[in-house]
Amino acid sequence: DTEVTQTPKHLVMGMTNKKSLKCEQHMGHRAMYWYKQKAKKPPELMFVYSYEKLSINESVPSRFSPECPNSSLLNLHLHALQPEDSALYLCASSQGPGVKTEAFFGQGTRLTVV
Amino acid sequence: DQQVKQNSPSLSVQEGRISILNCDYTNSMFDYFLWYKKYPAEGPTFLISISSIKDKNEDGRFTVFLNKSAKHLSLHIVPSQPGDSAVYFCAASAWEAAGNKLTFGGGTRVLVKP
Repeated sequence: DTEVTQTPKHLVMGMTNKKSLKCEQHMGHRAMYWYKQKAKKPPELMFVYSYEKLSINESVPSRFSPECPNSSLLNLHLHALQPEDSALYLCASSQGPGVKTEAFFGQGTRLTVV
Repeated sequence: DQQVKQNSPSLSVQEGRISILNCDYTNSMFDYFLWYKKYPAEGPTFLISISSIKDKNEDGRFTVFLNKSAKHLSLHIVPSQPGDSAVYFCAASAWEAAGNKLTFGGGTRVLVKP
């Protein structure tokens, strides 16, 4: 099973709402990632979790708050977003930090902020 | 500053012929390179990778070539099939204790004509 599952697939939220994106993998991977992809652009790294600890934050605004409750789950809590935050949010996982293997991506959550 | 570049935004090829996608990078610390395929509104799907200690890796119809001195890699798809029509991203990573940060190129849209 090489699957990374993301929910919801689509999300529309207002600028005052609080919502969460969820990601799950059962491959035993110890590194998990959040990427953001705007239209016609490549994915850009937001956060890296290694062994359930936040190891990289690419200067992401605090209105995005990641959480890793256990080794299989990764959440991204959203609060007071702006319309320019509308994008495809991708979760990924890989075997572990420092291990040269591919990252597996979920199908993404298409987020629209109104 | 784009560390990974795909200079051809699009490529059109006849079914059965070879597709050649190119990628250049500037960061000499990159030591692992990957190609991903992406359909609209889906997450990237891993295709093939290569470590910097190799200059070629082959998997079925896909072959990746790495020229470290030129900081250039390419993906060959032979023979091309209509189902190969998608956006292809080149990605690179450097060893980090914190996790495998992938830096993506801008993508090349491939259209395989029947």
